[in-house]
Amino acid sequence: DAGVIQSPRHEVTEMGQEVTLRCKPISGHNSLFWYRQTMMRGLELLIYFNNNVPIDDSGMPEDRFSAKMPNASFSTLKIQPSEPRDSAVYFCASSLSGTIGVYSNQPQHFGDGTRLSIL
Amino acid sequence: ELKVEQNPLFLSMQEGKNYTIYCNYSTTSDRLYWYRQDPGKSLESLFVLLSNGAVKQEGRLMASLDTKARLSTLHITAAVHDLSATYFCAVQNDYKLSFGAGTTVTVRA
Repeated sequence: DAGVIQSPRHEVTEMGQEVTLRCKPISGHNSLFWYRQTMMRGLELLIYFNNNVPIDDSGMPEDRFSAKMPNASFSTLKIQPSEPRDSAVYFCASSLSGTIGVYSNQPQHFGDGTRLSIL
Repeated sequence: ELKVEQNPLFLSMQEGKNYTIYCNYSTTSDRLYWYRQDPGKSLESLFVLLSNGAVKQEGRLMASLDTKARLSTLHITAAVHDLSATYFCAVQNDYKLSFGAGTTVTVRA
């Protein structure tokens, strides 16, 4: 089975440019998570979707960040305009969960991440 | 806010010896996970621990959970080079995973 697929794997761009990160979750999974990993702050949850609906975006750093999930098989995380402090590895993860408040024993499955460098 | 503390943060292991990584967390939790991350790679799920006293084993790794002490341990038996990686514990409340800072393990001959 294919795992969580993220693209691009690496992105280098200049500050001020728009950056779009893409994620295809595992087929059948109804929960999708975007994380950011940095040396200073570790792994942070940015946003959580359940059944394509954003449930918790409290981790999104500021208005420059936005995320969408137009259907069950695709999500994007966009940064506009990008800044050097956004440089990090961004992970997408998916899992299968039951109704809200009842979660299965399945772990979150992570993609390979996008290594983003803003110059 | 749920806090998760791992220690040690860095662990240099000698091949063939046994070691333990500790994961403490600050509030009650639904479940606890251990993940492994190789440099530049994704996070791979190792164990899911659901209840007090839970113990899971896979090869040289054994994880346990004491919910009363809010403590999980990852025990490594007879370390081998293949186990060099960063290990994270993650505590789940509702849908949210809170990760520890990770323990970077290096196994030397």
